[in-house]
Amino acid sequence: AQSVSQHNHHVILSEAASLELGCNYSYGGTVNLFWYVQYPGQHLQLLLKYFSGDPLVKGIKGFEAEFIKSKFSFNLRKPSVQWSDTAEYFCAAGDNTDKLIFGTGTRLQVFP
Amino acid sequence: DTEVTQTPKHLVMGMTNKKSLKCEQHMGHRAMYWYKQKAKKPPELMFVYSYEKLSINESVPSRFSPECPNSSLLNLHLHALQPEDSALYLCASSPPLGGDTQYFGPGTRLTVL
Repeated sequence: AQSVSQHNHHVILSEAASLELGCNYSYGGTVNLFWYVQYPGQHLQLLLKYFSGDPLVKGIKGFEAEFIKSKFSFNLRKPSVQWSDTAEYFCAAGDNTDKLIFGTGTRLQVFP
Repeated sequence: DTEVTQTPKHLVMGMTNKKSLKCEQHMGHRAMYWYKQKAKKPPELMFVYSYEKLSINESVPSRFSPECPNSSLLNLHLHALQPEDSALYLCASSPPLGGDTQYFGPGTRLTVL
C-alpha cells in the first residue's frame, strides 16, 4: 500500500540551528514528492516539489530537500532556522492519479 | 492570480441544518479537491473533480454532497452533520500537467453543535 511516513512528530530548535525533517515513502512506480508548510492560522503552502531530474531540490524561504531513491526518502533541510519557520510541515507523495498521500506532519517550534 | 478562495471562513451549524461551502479558483486549473483536516492532523482527501466530473470519492458519508457547477467553482453541501464532522475543510486545485501539485485555499472552519 502507498504510504508516507514522517518520524519526527515534534521538533524544537533554537534560532540559527540547522534543520532536517525526515520523510519516507512507499510507492510502486513513478512518484512525485512534495513538502507543504502550514503556518499557525494559515493555509497549506507548497515549499518545494520533486518530479524528476536533479535530486536536490531548492524551495522557497531557504528550504531544500534531497530525493534519495535507494532510501525511499525525501528529507527537508534548512541550514539556519528562524523563529518565523515555526509551523507544521507535511511531506506528501503522488503518482499522477490526483491522489496525494500526506504524512502525519512534523510540528516545528523555533525559539529565539 | 494564484489563489484559491473559500467562503465562509467560519461556519457554525446545528445537526439539522443545511449549509454549503464554496470554493473558487480562476487559474484555469482542471482539478479541484475537498479535504477534511482535524487539528494537528494531515488533510484527508474527500472528493476530487477532474474537468468538472467527480473522479474520486473517498467513501465519504452521504451527508456531504459535492457539486462542481463549472470549472472555476466547487461546492460542498452539508446536511445532517454530526459533531465529529467539526473540522477545517480545505479546497485545493491543480493545473493540467501539474504532476499533482495542489494549491490550497485557506479553509472553512466548521463547527457542528
